[in-house]
Amino acid sequence: AQTVTQSQPEMSVQEAETVTLSCTYDTSESDYYLFWYKQPPSRQMILVIRQEAYKQQNATENRFSVNFQKAAKSFSLKISDSQLGDAAMYFCAYPSITQGGSEKLVFGKGTKLTVNP
Amino acid sequence: GAGVSQSPSNKVTEKGKDVELRCDPISGHTALYWYRQSLGQGLEFLIYFQGNSAPDKSGLPSDRFSAERTGGSVSTLTIQRTQQEDSAVYLCASSLGVLGEETQYFGPGTRLLVL
Repeated sequence: AQTVTQSQPEMSVQEAETVTLSCTYDTSESDYYLFWYKQPPSRQMILVIRQEAYKQQNATENRFSVNFQKAAKSFSLKISDSQLGDAAMYFCAYPSITQGGSEKLVFGKGTKLTVNP
Repeated sequence: GAGVSQSPSNKVTEKGKDVELRCDPISGHTALYWYRQSLGQGLEFLIYFQGNSAPDKSGLPSDRFSAERTGGSVSTLTIQRTQQEDSAVYLCASSLGVLGEETQYFGPGTRLLVL
């Protein structure tokens, strides 16, 4: 079964500092997408950043960037200049095929990020 | 335009009762997903609708769970004879098309508590 593993249940960072959240995944595909979603206390999942596996260049969205290591199947999220509003659960996700033959997102168990003022 | 909306926001019910959860996707989005998020866990796929095609129900945990999507828009997830283990947040998401190429937008979820 295809899996997504987030080994850090909780992380904390000081405001304005940088933090890296780790994610590893398992797939036999050669071309795929990877995602990081943020879930604040409001519960709404918000897409933070997306990486296309065939692109060697790491994706960047403002203060958010990824370190994508395809051979190692690693997809970590770096948050620079952390802000109080970054505090949330962060989920790594990967598209997979359901038993019915359609696509779904497979999520890791999440990392709870606390930002300390 | 408006995002994905879900109602109710919270639902408390007694064991054995039936509940209906509603999802209103973004207008024009043909793909609609239901996920379940249990406490401290990631999201678990439940069911997928694509246009007018037959839904992919392969993620439904038991035959007490069913869902429909009327007119290719609004979807209702029904849980019959609720059990305490059904307590979770139920999230709906929609997208324009192929997962990955198109962003999946999530609603705020319905928190279900079965007493």
